[in-house]
Amino acid sequence: SQQGEEDPQALSIQEGENATMNCSYKTSINNLQWYRQNSGRGLVHLILIRSNEREKHSGRLRVTLDTSKKSSSLLITASRAADTASYFCATQGTGGFKTIFGAGTRLFVKA
Amino acid sequence: GAGVSQSPRYKVAKRGQDVALRCDPISGHVSLFWYQQALGQGPEFLTYFQNEAQLDKSGLPSDRFFAERPEGSVSTLKIQRTQQEDSAVYLCASSRGQGAFVEAFFGQGTRLTVV
Repeated sequence: SQQGEEDPQALSIQEGENATMNCSYKTSINNLQWYRQNSGRGLVHLILIRSNEREKHSGRLRVTLDTSKKSSSLLITASRAADTASYFCATQGTGGFKTIFGAGTRLFVKA
Repeated sequence: GAGVSQSPRYKVAKRGQDVALRCDPISGHVSLFWYQQALGQGPEFLTYFQNEAQLDKSGLPSDRFFAERPEGSVSTLKIQRTQQEDSAVYLCASSRGQGAFVEAFFGQGTRLTVV
């Protein structure tokens, strides 16, 4: 029943490289958010992009949103070993309070 | 406390037992959410509270699941007659806003194992 679908399911890169993760969703949204989860810190909010925005930056993170294609991407530049985690997109629809998470992309950054 | 606190962190229950999971949200946060996360999956929405009002319980998988937030702060998720498929991590999140899921803060979760 999850709406968001992340792609790829898993990604392994070298430290210093960029990592790109994609998310697709099915219905109209108010906003889309990206979260990171690792065993040490649980789920942590990274960035929110509203439905009327196309791009947003926060530090080494860049998020894009294409509402016509119902898709978003998260770019992490100059990755570090500490970026190793699972990354989830989460969408809040226009019709209620429910926020739907995707299955996540597992990122592994090799030192 | 500084963050969302959940207890217990781990719970092992025998099939058929009732369990109660507690969530202490960040003080003053109006919105509170419960999620269920199976191994290797993303969190699945269970229910939403705005203060003490349960405004959305569409994600509760069966009538064995019940959540409350009687005074608009601490919340309890109760699962009656636990089944093996209930084994998962139960996450609680709170946020300042009403309804809008804006920068929600998550607790560390309660890992429930039903044996």
